[in-house]
Amino acid sequence: SQKIEQNSEALNIQEGKTATLTCNYTNYSPAYLQWYRQDPGRGPVFLLLIRENEKEKRKERLKVTFDTTLKQSLFHVTASQPADSATYLCALDVLDSNYQLIWGAGTKLIIKP
Amino acid sequence: DGGITQSPKYLFRKEGQNVTLSCEQNLNHDAMYWYRQDPGQGLRLIYYSQIVNDFQKGDIAEGYSVSREKKESFPLTVTSAQKNPTAFYLCASKPLAGSYEQYFGPGTRLTVT
Repeated sequence: SQKIEQNSEALNIQEGKTATLTCNYTNYSPAYLQWYRQDPGRGPVFLLLIRENEKEKRKERLKVTFDTTLKQSLFHVTASQPADSATYLCALDVLDSNYQLIWGAGTKLIIKP
Repeated sequence: DGGITQSPKYLFRKEGQNVTLSCEQNLNHDAMYWYRQDPGQGLRLIYYSQIVNDFQKGDIAEGYSVSREKKESFPLTVTSAQKNPTAFYLCASKPLAGSYEQYFGPGTRLTVT
């Protein structure tokens, strides 16, 4: 079956350290992968998009990698701050999906001061 | 301000009643989506629409209905046929060309007792 997996356990990180979240998928060949941030009781907010032919993408303190051989994306938050605490969702776009995204369940990131 | 709005934020209904959730956007986006979010699960697509007067079923359309009479509006009706309607409902939109990210509303939390 087709699956997209994110670590369901919360990730606790000390402020200032780098947080790394994973997104693994099976049986897809995504054209690109997106990462969103979701705060409690609110809608997701787009952060970054990486295409299948890109290895790495950066935006300020955020970095995303995409390994289509391993079928995995890593999301890094460097110099983490308590304000980075949120749930982070990954979403795959498969070209034949009629503009639909396939969503992971998200990983909760907690940055401790 | 441009954006996507959902109302109400919280909604309570008795079992057996139909309820309509509002979604409005002023972003001039062609595509609109309704998702359901449950704890520990990825966003699941209920319905989507790419143009006015046309919409498609998503993965979990049973017990739901939608309309798209105007480009700006995509209301979702949760009918009494939906067996487990209590959830967080998210509406999203995106342009059909030029951008891959989805823009989300703040969500409606529906509780049915």
